[in-house]
Amino acid sequence: ETGVTQSPTHLIKTRGQQVTLRCSSQSGHNTVSWYQQALGQGPQFIFQYYREEENGRGNFPPRFSGLQFPNYSSELNVNALELDDSALYLCASSSPGRGGEQFFGPGTRLTVL
Amino acid sequence: EDQVTQSPEALRLQEGESSSLNCSYTVSGLRGLFWYRQDPGKGPEFLFTLYSAGEEKEKERLKATLTKKESFLHITAPKPEDSATYLCAVRSGNTGKLIFGQGTTLQVKP
Repeated sequence: ETGVTQSPTHLIKTRGQQVTLRCSSQSGHNTVSWYQQALGQGPQFIFQYYREEENGRGNFPPRFSGLQFPNYSSELNVNALELDDSALYLCASSSPGRGGEQFFGPGTRLTVL
Repeated sequence: EDQVTQSPEALRLQEGESSSLNCSYTVSGLRGLFWYRQDPGKGPEFLFTLYSAGEEKEKERLKATLTKKESFLHITAPKPEDSATYLCAVRSGNTGKLIFGQGTTLQVKP
């Protein structure tokens, strides 16, 4: 069983730029959730995708957007990067048919200068 | 507003010294309480799901329990490899949104 993978591992951008992060879900999972984790804090929910549709969104501005593809992989796009966007971005996959457990990938460390 | 608070923020134990981590929650319509372990710079690793008060789950030296207002993660005779940040999260509503606490960082010294 293949776990959740994310790319890239690390990324450095400057303020105002745009970034795309990628996630491949665990085999058999059709739901992907994205979280932002600042240093020393718990993850914060950005949004979730189920069957290519957004299925819930946290308190993040519209410059955070996403996509889910037919193979259930997903992208997180962030426009007009700000210094406070520096964080670990986590992707988690799950299957609605199970207990709702979300399995996380290793994350992408984004640094905005 | 749904909220999760974990205590203590940090815990130092000697190898073999048992202890408990606390997770207090306020949520409308609990649809699961989850425990994760996170090593530095890595993604959270799933440990347990609890759904109703009185439920308990065990895995090696870890045991998770649930009441109507809080959950405990008991660590029995910990080893240095148990050192990590332990995260608690709750799920509410019809989406898969997880609300996390800030975590408890555990250090076990040999």
